[in-house]
Amino acid sequence: SQQGEEDPQALSIQEGENATMNCSYKTSINNLQWYRQNSGRGLVHLILIRSNEREKHSGRLRVTLDTSKKSSSLLITASRAADTASYFCATVMGYSSASKIIFGSGTRLSIRP
Amino acid sequence: DTAVSQTPKYLVTQMGNDKSIKCEQNLGHDTMYWYKQDSKKFLKIMFSYNNKELIINETVPNRFSPKSPDKAHLNLHINSLELGDSAVYFCASSQHLGETQYFGPGTRLLVL
Repeated sequence: SQQGEEDPQALSIQEGENATMNCSYKTSINNLQWYRQNSGRGLVHLILIRSNEREKHSGRLRVTLDTSKKSSSLLITASRAADTASYFCATVMGYSSASKIIFGSGTRLSIRP
Repeated sequence: DTAVSQTPKYLVTQMGNDKSIKCEQNLGHDTMYWYKQDSKKFLKIMFSYNNKELIINETVPNRFSPKSPDKAHLNLHINSLELGDSAVYFCASSQHLGETQYFGPGTRLLVL
């Protein structure tokens, strides 16, 4: 599997339900970032979680990071139609010229009305 | 005001041509990036500049040459365009390397 691999690849849920997406990675990271991309648009930053943090919240979003399992999850509670988008995780490793930023393949989330 | 802007938004051109994409950020950030998103939505970093200095240079054909005249601008010049260059190219910026990134709207390049 690749660094920053996400699952599921696609997720369809009913409006009002919670959506959980997962991101796994292989090597130690400095931080992990979650982004949303609406169709035909640029990526929008959601949450950045550092390697020494375990959980962060922002509104209806909750991100967890388990460095022992090298995985992160993004939970969207009480989903809305406007949450329909692709969600990407990005892992940041190394420093300066040795930095690596790798995006996952994304999870396509569809919210059914 | 747009934080990260790119021009043009769409670019349709013939194989073998040379083209440039421009990017500007008004956030006062130190770091700028270029990404390529292919038809399967896979996003891959191409370059990163920090204060006009090239920091990240992934395995990209040398037909692609970034240029940063100042820390608010990072342009991408592509020589001898090939069919496989067709993709969406995103510019982004962050306060420091590896921090939260702000993306531009993308440039949709189609090589015929």
